[in-house]
Amino acid sequence: DGGITQSPKYLFRKEGQNVTLSCEQNLNHDAMYWYRQDPGQGLRLIYYSQIVNDFQKGDIAEGYSVSREKKESFPLTVTSAQKNPTAFYLCASSRGATYNSPLHFGNGTRLTVT
Amino acid sequence: GQQLNQSPQSMFIQEGEDVSMNCTSSSIFNTWLWYKQDPGEGPVLLIALYKAGELTSNGRLTAQFGITRKDSFLNISASIPSDVGIYFCAGQLYSGAGSYQLTFGKGTKLSVIP
Repeated sequence: DGGITQSPKYLFRKEGQNVTLSCEQNLNHDAMYWYRQDPGQGLRLIYYSQIVNDFQKGDIAEGYSVSREKKESFPLTVTSAQKNPTAFYLCASSRGATYNSPLHFGNGTRLTVT
Repeated sequence: GQQLNQSPQSMFIQEGEDVSMNCTSSSIFNTWLWYKQDPGEGPVLLIALYKAGELTSNGRLTAQFGITRKDSFLNISASIPSDVGIYFCAGQLYSGAGSYQLTFGKGTKLSVIP
């Protein structure tokens, strides 16, 4: 079955440590996205990538970094510079930003930083 | 940028009742999308609407793309306990820079009382 796999489901880190969240898709989608979700809030775009080796900042990119070395993979690093990293992180993909096609989401990673 | 007003923010209903929620914007969109998010999971696409006036059903769910292209509603008939979750609307608009931009509403949290 095609889909988007995020791992791990739960992640715990100490403050001051960088942490990398994994996102892999086998949908052959060109575009991939990272969103952050806080309780009672909507989805906020962190970074997106329309093609391999290229990515763009979203609305809340500060304190985060990404890479897109392979079409299937779009890992997100939450750095120690992110002031409030505890949140639910969602990865998504679509055929491509030039297509009027919907996003498909993974099942999320819940990050807790203490 | 575009903003979506999704209402109501939350609702409590009795099992068996019909539900209606909507999204409005001051901007037009090319596409309206409706997602459902179960607790601790990623959003799942329910319905995609691509033409103004389009009315689409998916089981007990019905959604419409408003004629003005600035609004959309989602109806759920005869609610059941598994309808519990957060429902998000999203509007997609061609940005004119060779890509589509997606804007999410803040979600409607639905609780169903057995």
